[in-house]
Amino acid sequence: GAGVSQSPSNKVTEKGKDVELRCDPISGHTALYWYRQSLGQGLEFLIYFQGNSAPDKSGLPSDRFSAERTGGSVSTLTIQRTQQEDSAVYLCASSPGTGGDGYTFGSGTRLTVV
Amino acid sequence: AQSVTQLGSHVSVSEGALVLLRCNYSSSVPPYLFWYVQYPNQGLQLLLKYTSAATLVKGINGFEAEFKKSETSFHLTKPSAHMSDAAEYFCAVRPEGIYNQGGKLIFGQGTELSVKP
Repeated sequence: GAGVSQSPSNKVTEKGKDVELRCDPISGHTALYWYRQSLGQGLEFLIYFQGNSAPDKSGLPSDRFSAERTGGSVSTLTIQRTQQEDSAVYLCASSPGTGGDGYTFGSGTRLTVV
Repeated sequence: AQSVTQLGSHVSVSEGALVLLRCNYSSSVPPYLFWYVQYPNQGLQLLLKYTSAATLVKGINGFEAEFKKSETSFHLTKPSAHMSDAAEYFCAVRPEGIYNQGGKLIFGQGTELSVKP
């Protein structure tokens, strides 16, 4: 597609439930990133996929968070046993993965844990 | 560790006035630097980027930024603010800089710009 697509745009879930957030990157972009933006906070790096390399998971806050990228394209971020502190906007970005290219961001998924 | 500091979480200017948003970075290698803008309920949009070419970088919507290695700064400016510039602005560094073809961005905390009529 023309841009990075994220779904759902809004998600309300009960504490303790699992949620899956989806990201469709720009076609041909080899790099994909997940960030979390909490109220009043900057953007917190979560995980980074580059081609067929092992992902950089150094930003995942706990083992309740995981992500996968299938076929080098679509990515799913899964949060298990959600907690109220997981409430945030989850942003996905993709890039061609070369040189100094910037990143194209999706509009995000606003997650609210009640 | 590489980091980005944005001075001022909120900046307010009058329409037509100069916009100056400050960003200082730390990096152990020549960095790549970026400014992004986020309008309400939208994702981030790239304003401009520095990738070791010209130190004065021009971006969209009349914004520009100057890379000053001696000051480790990459401040964002616009000569004359418009009401439509009201948004949140993020400075970011790609720590691997010129030595890596990919890699995550480290973002500052953001500066909210308000423009008064």
